[in-house]
Amino acid sequence: KAGVTQTPRYLIKTRGQQVTLSCSPISGHRSVSWYQQTPGQGLQFLFEYFSETQRNKGNFPGRFSGRQFSNSRSEMNVSTLELGDSALYLCASSLAGTGFTEAFFGQGTRLTVV
Amino acid sequence: TQLLEQSPQFLSIQEGENLTVYCNSSSVFSSLQWYRQEPGEGPVLLVTVVTGGEVKKLKRLTFQFGDARKDSSLHITAAQPGDTGLYLCAGAQDSGYALNFGKGTSLLVTP
Repeated sequence: KAGVTQTPRYLIKTRGQQVTLSCSPISGHRSVSWYQQTPGQGLQFLFEYFSETQRNKGNFPGRFSGRQFSNSRSEMNVSTLELGDSALYLCASSLAGTGFTEAFFGQGTRLTVV
Repeated sequence: TQLLEQSPQFLSIQEGENLTVYCNSSSVFSSLQWYRQEPGEGPVLLVTVVTGGEVKKLKRLTFQFGDARKDSSLHITAAQPGDTGLYLCAGAQDSGYALNFGKGTSLLVTP
């Protein structure tokens, strides 16, 4: 079966701009989680969606937001980009939630803010 | 605040050596997962441990969950260059909706 697809793979943005990242989960998976990975902090949880509802949110500022569509595809948006937002953004797909059922990660979107 | 502390951060060994990676926390987790991540890729799940004291084996990899469900270890026997990668432990919250990751152990196995 097809894996988790994240687009785009690479992105360069200027400070102050906004960006939208996309994640298509494995067919049949209704849970999508987003994580930010940086060398200094490792992987940090952003938020999780299940059937279009946000069930949990990590400790990130309101500039980070997300949504999930009826076909389970998810997008995350970062507004007013800062240099510190440069990171690998990973999406994880699972049947019921990454703590309950196996999580499958996409290859990530590498965001560079200049 | 990092709930899970992994050690060591970096490990460089020669093929054939054994190694152990540790994952420690002051928090109790409902389950703990180990992932391996290679450059340019997302993490791939290796194993999930759920019961305190549980030991799971995956070929040359042995995973152990502490009795109190606060810590875990990964032991690799006779490491091979193909074992090179970033090893991450992650604890599941009771809600099951999020994983708390350690910062990872970067392993390099040279021939």
